[in-house]
Amino acid sequence: NAGVTQTPKFQVLKTGQSMTLQCAQDMNHEYMSWYRQDPGMGLRLIHYSVGAGITDQGEVPNGYNVSRSTTEDFPLRLLSAAPSQTSVYFCASSYSGTGGPGANVLTFGAGSRLTVL
Amino acid sequence: AQRVTQPEKLLSVFKGAPVELKCNYSYSGSPELFWYVQYSRQRLQLLLRHISRESIKGFTADLNKGETSFHLKKPFAQEEDSAMYYCALSGNPAYSGAGSYQLTFGKGTKLSVIP
Repeated sequence: NAGVTQTPKFQVLKTGQSMTLQCAQDMNHEYMSWYRQDPGMGLRLIHYSVGAGITDQGEVPNGYNVSRSTTEDFPLRLLSAAPSQTSVYFCASSYSGTGGPGANVLTFGAGSRLTVL
Repeated sequence: AQRVTQPEKLLSVFKGAPVELKCNYSYSGSPELFWYVQYSRQRLQLLLRHISRESIKGFTADLNKGETSFHLKKPFAQEEDSAMYYCALSGNPAYSGAGSYQLTFGKGTKLSVIP
């Protein structure tokens, strides 16, 4: 049981380049989310999804796109990378985003460290 | 809006001393509160949640609605407790209008236990 798998672990981009951070979970979790972690800023929610075909914006969505075509996968796309997007990105999932047992007990991936030059 | 404040960026204590990591929140409804922990080179993981009323690794946290606080406490710190600790709040979407429950994290407190 792999849990939440993120790829790549490290990535260096030039300003203006695009890339996709991959996230996959094998726990049949309904809820998936992306956070960025910056020094002194804690974890901030970028986008989230409560199920396949449903996505919504979090606190800091600008510059990022997401889609949820399957329950297992929730990729995060940077269309035109900027130095301000240099960060560590975490994907997290939970049983449910709409309440009930296990809701908001997040399982995190190992993180993806992105540097934009 | 929901907000979580962790006033201390860094907290250093000696081994065997009591530990208290402070967390205050702002939310107009009845929130659910959590503590997550990130040990060095490990993933973020749930430490405890207020509705469970558990003691995990000797840590406890009590929700004080009057003071809007959820401080994390341990009577005797151990070296292996050194980590980054995040307090988090989940609000009811019926109040926030959001599409689902969302976790809002504080900025984190780095706990360093000195041998």
